[in-house]
Amino acid sequence: QVTLKESGPTLVKPTQTLTLTCTFSGFSLNTGGVGVGWIRQPPGKALEWLALIYWDGDERYSPSLNNRLSITKDTSENQVVLTMTYMDLADTGTYYCGHYVTTMTTGYFDFRGQGTLVTVSS
Amino acid sequence: DIVMTQSPLSLPVTPGEPASISCRPSESLMGSNGHNYLDWYLKKPGQSPQLLIYLGSNRASGVPDRFSGSVSGTDFTLKISRVEAEDVGIYYCMQARQTPITFGQGTRLEIK
Repeated sequence: QVTLKESGPTLVKPTQTLTLTCTFSGFSLNTGGVGVGWIRQPPGKALEWLALIYWDGDERYSPSLNNRLSITKDTSENQVVLTMTYMDLADTGTYYCGHYVTTMTTGYFDFRGQGTLVTVSS
Repeated sequence: DIVMTQSPLSLPVTPGEPASISCRPSESLMGSNGHNYLDWYLKKPGQSPQLLIYLGSNRASGVPDRFSGSVSGTDFTLKISRVEAEDVGIYYCMQARQTPITFGQGTRLEIK
């Protein structure tokens, strides 16, 4: 059974760096075709994709976040860490990590964590 | 970036009646393997997005069979055969054909 859990601070100040951890089980980030990614939802707004890291270490980022993001994986701990620099009020929202699969026969992005609410305020 | 356009943005439905949501990508979502990389999600307040349909027409595990996905040309449709009260929320389509992964604006389904 696949599970994911997001953790990190609930409150950060403007200009600070946010670090979120996704701890997962039920799959391996060493398996071909597997990835872990992050999305977010600001209050009252649509879902927004942020970043994705593949089994082979390939990293992909949302270009709209202007190089503020970094994603890393620790396969021994089954964790993926997302770092976002220069936090702004507009970054307030709920952040979700998800299990990403892309192979020749299937492909999906499944968000099973509860999400973590991050508020940016001075 | 692939732009995902959903319609309608608001969908009032009587329980027991069918509902349909359209998603139109700005580019083809078909991969070299013939799959369309289009997922449908239901987002309820306080919950994570629930995967309903993947690869355009495959129902995710545990999703009721009243939900179905289809593709016609490059246009995608999510259909609910008989809407139930628990189906309220915001429905999103998402393309994973290429990064950046992009979502539609969302369609709010409400019960009349």
